[in-house]
Order: sequence, then C-alpha cells, then structure tokens
Amino acid sequence: EAEVAQSPRYKITEKSQAVAFWCDPISGHATLYWYRQILGQGPELLVQFQDESVVDDSQLPKDRFSAERLKGVDSTLKIQPAELGDSAMYLCASSLGHRLAGGNEQFFGPGTRLTVL
Amino acid sequence: AQSVTQLDSHVSVSEGTPVLLRCNYSSSYSPSLFWYVQHPNKGLQLLLKYTSAATLVKGINGFEAEFKKSETSFHLTKPSAHMSDAAEYFCVVSDRTRGSQGNLIFGKGTKLSVKP
Repeated sequence: EAEVAQSPRYKITEKSQAVAFWCDPISGHATLYWYRQILGQGPELLVQFQDESVVDDSQLPKDRFSAERLKGVDSTLKIQPAELGDSAMYLCASSLGHRLAGGNEQFFGPGTRLTVL
Repeated sequence: AQSVTQLDSHVSVSEGTPVLLRCNYSSSYSPSLFWYVQHPNKGLQLLLKYTSAATLVKGINGFEAEFKKSETSFHLTKPSAHMSDAAEYFCVVSDRTRGSQGNLIFGKGTKLSVKP
C-alpha cells in the first residue's frame, strides 16, 4: 500500500542550529502539505504545494522556515535557526490535488518529532 | 472563517460500550467534514468524510458520524468500543468554496481511552 514517507522520525537539536525534514508523497499526488502539531493540539498547516508551486504559505514563519519542492515530487522543510518553541511534530501529507481540494483525502506520513534543547 | 470545536478533550469508556465524540463546526459555506484518528507515534488516518452526500456517513472500523446542519454538529459514534480504538481523534473542516485551497482546519483533538 502506498504511503507518505518522512525522515527522520525523530530529531533532537540545540537552539540556533539548522534542521531539515524530508517528505516523499504518494506517487502521483500533486498536492503536498506540511503541518506542525504542537503537543496537545491539532495540526496546523504551514505550507501547501501544488506540484512545484507554493499555493499557501500564509502560516509559515518565513524569517526562519523555508520549504521547497523543486521537481514537484519530494519536499524539504527547513528551520534555521531553530528555537525552543519549534519543538513539535512536523507532519507531511499528500493528496491527488483537484482544484477543490477540500473533498480529497489527505494521506499523512508518520511525522518527524522535533525537540529543540 | 471555518472552525471546529471538539467538546471533550478526553473521553473514557469501557470496552464493549458505545463511543460518542462530539464536534461542532462553524462554516460560512457548505463544508466538507472529516474525522481522523492518530495512534501514538503514527500518522493521521482518515476514518470518514462528509461531502454533501448522505448525512449519515459510515467509516472504517465500525465508526460513523451524522452531519446535522441545524445543530452544526458532526459527532462521531461507535456502538461498541474495542481496546484498539484508544487513540486521539480529530474533527476537521475544509472549505469547499471555489477559489479556496480546500485547507483542512483541525480541532484540538479528543483522546479516547478504553478500559478493559
């Protein structure tokens, strides 16, 4: 069964360091999402890609976060420099990506749990 | 703006008894609604979704939810809880209006505990 892959599963870093997370969506899925899930809360969208283009990054803290999906397949989310408040689960999801994407199921990866010391 | 409110942060039931997880939504337009489940250290899995077809939606693992527009509710139920149902459950709304990105907005989650 096709799955969304993420790595690493766990990452511990010190504040002010740079970290990067990788996501490989389900083959053929045009839309890719990065979410942040703080402990005890629901996921919140950080950035959405349609193929290689960003369609929504309104909630991405652009002073320290960046995301790319250069070839429209896999994606990387980077934080530089990391802050204590960035400790969270970072989830990647993908969907087929029709225009009205609300009705399309998003398939989630296992996430990367980031701890910033 | 769309939003969801999960009325209980924690629900505890005994194995074999019914499950009710409550969710109210707010949406200016016709919403798509979802329930996702998250087991520890695993990704989110879709349980069921409502997209303006039948108001009673059946999902996986015996779960179902009923869309009630008059009450703006989308409660999740299961007749008989199983130990394996213990997890975090998220009610989710998506904006389906034209021109939107269909972004998902998650509730804060309800942790379901199942006692033997």
